[in-house]
Amino acid sequence: EVQLVESGGGLIQPGGSLRLSCAASGLIVRGNYMSWVRQAPGKGLEWVSAINSAGGTYYADSVRGRFTISRDNSKNTVYLQMNSPRAEDTAVYYCARTYQVPPRFDYWGQGTLVTVSS
Amino acid sequence: QSVLTQPPSVSAAPGQKVTISCSGSSSNIGNNYVSWYQQLPGTAPKLLIYDNNKRPSGIPDRFSGSKSGTSATLGITGLQTGDEANYYCGTGDSSLSDGSWVFGGGTKVTVL
Repeated sequence: EVQLVESGGGLIQPGGSLRLSCAASGLIVRGNYMSWVRQAPGKGLEWVSAINSAGGTYYADSVRGRFTISRDNSKNTVYLQMNSPRAEDTAVYYCARTYQVPPRFDYWGQGTLVTVSS
Repeated sequence: QSVLTQPPSVSAAPGQKVTISCSGSSSNIGNNYVSWYQQLPGTAPKLLIYDNNKRPSGIPDRFSGSKSGTSATLGITGLQTGDEANYYCGTGDSSLSDGSWVFGGGTKVTVL
């Protein structure tokens, strides 16, 4: 059974930094395309970033240059480093396995809430 | 403002059918597969339909998907109270940076 467990969310001040983690079981992160998708309070889904099996990384324009996705194969964990967060980054952040052919987000974590506020 | 356009809400009585539209463009729906996600209150999204019209294991055949040109549609027949949720369409978009995904704004289904 695949499980994705996010952690690391919390209250962060604008301009600070925070690292989210997504610990996977039942799948090997280095062999999979993994994504972060966020949902602002009362709003819809927004794709944030992804890392493919080769280590290539992708970012939404809204976070490029501020967020960094990475993975630790030994811990089977994917990370999202959030630097210089803004109030509009406040959201629940979900980790999702992104199956490529045909594309879809087939496994999701329960999400972790990030609140950016002074 | 979401890239894909969905109606904010639809409703119907138990046992009836609802359809949810998802409108996009040639850079997203027109040249990509569409998937649909169900988000029950307070929970994470769940894959409902992929490859425009395929259902993952465990998803009942009351849920169906279709795509034509730059639009896609999710259908729910035999509506149940447990179907009350927000539904999102999603797909890739070649007009944005590599690897980008876009979603609709979501449609709230209410069972009257």
